This record gives sequence, C-alpha cells and structure tokens, in this order.
Amino acid sequence: EIVLTQSPVSITASQGEKVTITCRASSSISSNYLHWYQQKAGSYPKLLIYRTSILASGFPDSFSGSGSDTSYTLTISCMQDEVAASYYCQQGSSSPLTFGSGTKLEIK
Amino acid sequence: QVTLKESGPGILQPSQTLSLTCTFSGFSLSTYGMGVGWIRQPSGKGLEWLANIWWDDDKYYNPSLKNRLTISKDTSNNQAFLKITNVDTADTATYYCARPYYDGTYYYYFDYWGQGVMVTVSS
Repeated sequence: EIVLTQSPVSITASQGEKVTITCRASSSISSNYLHWYQQKAGSYPKLLIYRTSILASGFPDSFSGSGSDTSYTLTISCMQDEVAASYYCQQGSSSPLTFGSGTKLEIK
Repeated sequence: QVTLKESGPGILQPSQTLSLTCTFSGFSLSTYGMGVGWIRQPSGKGLEWLANIWWDDDKYYNPSLKNRLTISKDTSNNQAFLKITNVDTADTATYYCARPYYDGTYYYYFDYWGQGVMVTVSS
C-alpha cells in the first residue's frame, strides 16, 4: 500500500499569502496518478487538481500543482476566504487507492 | 449532468450488516469504462477508499476491509450498492459514492461525488 503523508497538518494564512501543501508518497508514483481534492466544512470532497497539475473545472488558476516521483505540491498563490478548506492528495497508481491524511487551511 | 446520491440506514447496531445504495444519473454502468466507487470519512478524519465496481462487473476492494465488503450494481436502475458485514463503532462515518473518471485511460481519480450519507453504529 502506498502511504501518502501530507504536510503541514494544518496551516493558517493571511489574505493574499502564498500557501504550499506537500504530499509525499512512500513509493514512486507516476505523475499521472496523483490528484488533489478540496473539502469545505460540511461538504463532500471536490476534485481540484488531477494528474498532478491539471486544474479541474470551476477552480481559479490561483491553484496549481506540481511534482514527480514521491514528492508533490499543491500551491495556492493568493490566500482568500473562499479557499479555506481541507485538502487531500490521492494516488491512483496502485490498489488500494489511498488518500493523504489531509491539510486544514484556515484564514488568519 | 452527472449526479450521485447515497442512501443508507442512518443508524445500526454492532454486528449488523450495513447496506448502502448509490443512485446515479448522467452516466451508465453499462457503458464501457464507467465505474462507481465508495469512500468513507469518519467525522473529523480523513478519507478512506473502500471499493470500486466497473462496467464489466470487475470489482476492487480495500484489503483492510476486503472480507467484510461486497460491492454490486443494478445497471438497469442506475444503482450501485455496498454491503459491510459485522459493523462496529469504527465503521461510523459519512459514506460517499463517486464516479471514477475515464476518458479511454484510467487515472483513478473521482470527478463526481455524492453528498454523502452519515452512518452511525451504536448499541
């Protein structure tokens, strides 16, 4: 099983601040199989970025993703109220599909 | 327009069998490449993938629960089902069904999710 470790567990950022969330895999993953979800409080997860860097429909380009091998990054270029949420990485490289433990992003 | 909606018993007792239904629209499990997955989330915790079922009735389970899980489908009624046997309090969670994306290649991410159904296991 591929274990995904996200850091930080939580982060508080000010308006306009740049935020970076890291997802590290216990084994190498093709970049085609690393994805990110956003989950706001009380709601279901929404696909945010797929195949490491492709932005899903409906999300602003203030979100971006990058990475390869065992290290992947989600970047929010400008913190705003509406991006306060939890973020999860997920790998589809091998079964079982696994998710990172999540990063809770709050606004200061 | 793709939609999914989960339904379940709400509350059940330890050792019982949990039966969940996912009713979906906007795609068909008789179409090549299509599938439905189940994911759960205990309150305040992370996401755990449980199982996927595919258009050809192929099934994949999380081995951590494999002996307790059964996934199935009713193609004619656009439904997928998940049964978990011998539940205990650790199975208390919100259960989501979701569609794995397919465009000719599987990348194994979920592009559409249901709202989730909360299930409580309590005596």
